[in-house]
Amino acid sequence: DAMVIQNPRYQVTQFGKPVTLSCSQTLNHNVMYWYQQKSSQAPKLLFHYYDKDFNNEADTPDNFQSRRPNTSFCFLDIRSPGLGDAAMYLCATSSPPRAYTDTQYFGPGTRLTVL
Amino acid sequence: SQQGEEDPQALSIQEGENATMNCSYKTSINNLQWYRQNSGRGLVHLILIRSNEREKHSGRLRVTLDTSKKSSSLLITASRAADTASYFCATENSGNTPLVFGKGTRLSVIA
Repeated sequence: DAMVIQNPRYQVTQFGKPVTLSCSQTLNHNVMYWYQQKSSQAPKLLFHYYDKDFNNEADTPDNFQSRRPNTSFCFLDIRSPGLGDAAMYLCATSSPPRAYTDTQYFGPGTRLTVL
Repeated sequence: SQQGEEDPQALSIQEGENATMNCSYKTSINNLQWYRQNSGRGLVHLILIRSNEREKHSGRLRVTLDTSKKSSSLLITASRAADTASYFCATENSGNTPLVFGKGTRLSVIA
C-alpha cells in the first residue's frame, strides 16, 4: 500500500545533541511537509518542499533544517535540541497539480523526547 | 497565519449520540478539510468541502460550510467508541498556500 513512513517512531535525545528524523513516501507526491505538534495543540507547519523548492515558515527557528535528497525522502534535522523542542513531528505529503488543494497524507509521527 | 478555531475544545458523549463540532475561520478560502487524529498518531483526512459547496456527506459524517459566516460544522451521527479522537479543521486559503490547521476538538465517546 502507498504510504508515508516515519522513522523512528520514538526518539530520545539529549539537550544540545543533534538529531535527524526521517520521512519516506511511496505516493510519489510532489510536496512534503514537516509539522511540529505539541500536546493538545494544532500541528504547526515548519517548512515544506514543493518538488526541490524549499519553503520555510517565517517563524520556524534556525535550529530546524530540512533536506530532501529525492522525491521519496525528506529529513528533519534539529541542530541543537532544547527542552522546548520535545514534541510530535509529523510528515505529510500532497499531490499535484495544485498541491495545496488536495488532501494531505500524514505519517504516524515521531515522538521526540529531549532529556 | 490565520487559524481555524474549533468549538468546543472538548466534547464527551455517549455511544449512539450525535457529535457536532464547529470551525470558524477568518480569511477567504478555496476549501476546508476535516482531519481526525487518534492519540499519538498521525492525522487522517476525513472530508473536503469546496468553497462553492454547502454540504457534503461521507458515511456517518456530514459537513456543512457557510462562507458568509466563515464557519463549518462536522456532524458524526450514531457515534461509536472508536470515534474517540481529536478532530481538526484545516483551511486552504485563497492564494494557493499550504493548509492552516485549527486547534482541534477532542471527542470522547463513552461506551
